[in-house]
Amino acid sequence: KAGVTQTPRYLIKTRGQQVTLSCSPISGHRSVSWYQQTPGQGLQFLFEYFSETQRNKGNFPGRFSGRQFSNSRSEMNVSTLELGDSALYLCASSKLTGGVNEQFFGPGTRLTVL
Amino acid sequence: AQKITQTQPGMFVQEKEAVTLDCTYDTSDQSYGLFWYKQPSSGEMIFLIYQGSYDEQNATEGRYSLNFQKARKSANLVISASQLGDSAMYFCAMRETNYGQNFVFGPGTRLSVLP
Repeated sequence: KAGVTQTPRYLIKTRGQQVTLSCSPISGHRSVSWYQQTPGQGLQFLFEYFSETQRNKGNFPGRFSGRQFSNSRSEMNVSTLELGDSALYLCASSKLTGGVNEQFFGPGTRLTVL
Repeated sequence: AQKITQTQPGMFVQEKEAVTLDCTYDTSDQSYGLFWYKQPSSGEMIFLIYQGSYDEQNATEGRYSLNFQKARKSANLVISASQLGDSAMYFCAMRETNYGQNFVFGPGTRLSVLP
């Protein structure tokens, strides 16, 4: 079956702009998590959505937001972009939330902020 | 607070040899899961192996095995018969089973397989 897909794969924006990233989970998966990966900070958890509700949130400013639709697809939005937001943004899906559930990752969206 | 430590920023191994990537973790929970992921230069995270805290046997998946020592809170990944395609970043991750928790990743180990 199809894996997790993320669009776009690459994105270049300038400071102050906003960006929306999209993630389609594996069919049947209801949990979608977002991560930011940078060389300096490594992989950091942004938030998790399950059944259209945000279940967990990492330690990121309010400029980072997300939502999940009824078909489990998720979007992540970053407003007022800063240079430090340049990163690889990874989306992961799993069947359930909580517990010990394996997460399957998408290929990521590489965001460059100029 | 959760914490994952991977003390080897980089490792080299000769093709066809075995290699062990270290991972120690810190949690006060009794129920948790430990995962290893591989990230090639393409950026995608590839699931390798999983170990539950209550599993008595060490997990194995093909050439991958997890050396789980619960009392020492270590979950080392062993790759047997290394291949050139194994060159990548390897991340150890933990997820507690308490509601509201999510994956925490270690800093990763870059493995380079030499021909």
